[in-house]
Formats: sequence, structure tokens, C-alpha cells
Amino acid sequence: QSVLTQPPSVSGAPGQRVTISCTGTNSNLGAGYDVEWYRQLPGTAPKLLIFGNTKRPSGVPDRISGSKSGTSASLAITGLQAEDEADYYCQSYDRSLSGYVFGTGTTVTVL
Amino acid sequence: QVQLQESGPGLVKSSQTLSLTCKVSGDSISRGGWYWSWIRQHPGKGLEWIASIYNSAKTYYSPSLKSRVSISLDTSRNQFSLKLSSVTAADTAAYYCARTYGDFVFGYFDFWGQGTPVTVSS
Repeated sequence: QSVLTQPPSVSGAPGQRVTISCTGTNSNLGAGYDVEWYRQLPGTAPKLLIFGNTKRPSGVPDRISGSKSGTSASLAITGLQAEDEADYYCQSYDRSLSGYVFGTGTTVTVL
Repeated sequence: QVQLQESGPGLVKSSQTLSLTCKVSGDSISRGGWYWSWIRQHPGKGLEWIASIYNSAKTYYSPSLKSRVSISLDTSRNQFSLKLSSVTAADTAAYYCARTYGDFVFGYFDFWGQGTPVTVSS
């Protein structure tokens, strides 16, 4: 069950900036739990992009950034490139469910 | 580099038990420090967490699947497994195993297997 809400799709021209929102509740993001972000290319496994709200794993470019405030979080991609076309998911812990929850997913299209 | 590889039957009959294994290389699952998890993705849909395990002593299950799921570690083979009983067509999905880094409530999935598709047939 997805308890984190994301827009179904966002798009932008090459070089532009896009943001993806992730809206939760007081049982997950609002309770102080971190948000993590993943990118999934078609037919492949998800890849970790952001952990601990704002941190990037080694190898993830700094044009990708994350933020969190209250019950919401955002992923920003600047300098949009063709390789950014993918599905993106946020993830957190939910204390009511005592487990992990994922966002509904957002498809990024590069125009 | 940590690598995970899922294995199991691609086709399971309805009402039977699905068994999947995740072989880990580049890390020791008995070393501790992090959890090992299963996640699935229905065709064309989003991600769904199934279960996580730590040192065989701590297991966590999705409330919606808890009555049918079991996760276990095999430290001698450096792998972990998932069993899902009484499967139906609704269990048709790609199943991923992943390492879960950090304290459980602040955990994230830093290494993933490539995923294995499972179809439940009637």
C-alpha cells in the first residue's frame, strides 16, 4: 500500500530543473523519519539516489538533491538530461504500519 | 562491491508456496550491521516492501502479507530466503532482494538484486 503520494508525471526540456514532491502523513515523514529516493530505469532494479533526506551516495551527481519539511519531501533534478528519463520513488518508515512505505512513483520525461 | 542475485521458480501455481532465495556476494550476511529485505513490484505498478531480517533474531513483515510470509537467513551459504504461502494471481510480480542499511526505522535500500519475475497461474 502506497501511503506516500507523488505526482504521476513531470516533464522538462534538457537543461531545465524539475522537482518531484512526496507527501506523507504524521505517521511517516511528519513523525521525523527520513525520506529516501530511488530511480528506476525500465526493466531494471531501483537505484538509490538520496538517503537521509539530503545525502547522495557516491557516484550520484550533485545536480540531484533532496529536501524534507514536515510531512513533505522533494527531489530536484537540475540540468535535466536524457538519462534522467525514469521512474522515481520516495520511501520512508511508517510507525503505524511498523514497516517501510514507498511513494506512488513519478515518471520523468525529458521533452 | 556488494551484489545480490535472486533465484526461484518463475511460475507458481495458485494456492502453492512461493520460495525465493537471494545470494549475497561481497558482504557477509552474518556480520551484522544491516538488514536484508524483500520488495516486490506488480506489473506496471509501484514498489511494495515485503519483509526484512537482521541476524535471524529480528524479523519485520508487511502487515498486509504477514500471515503468509516468512523470511530467513542461511549464513552458511551467505543467502537469505522468502516464502510466501497460499499465492494467488495478486502475487504475480517482480521480486527484488536488497540490503537495508542503517537502523531499521531509518533504513534505506542501498544495494538491490536485478529482480526475478514470478507469475502465479491457476
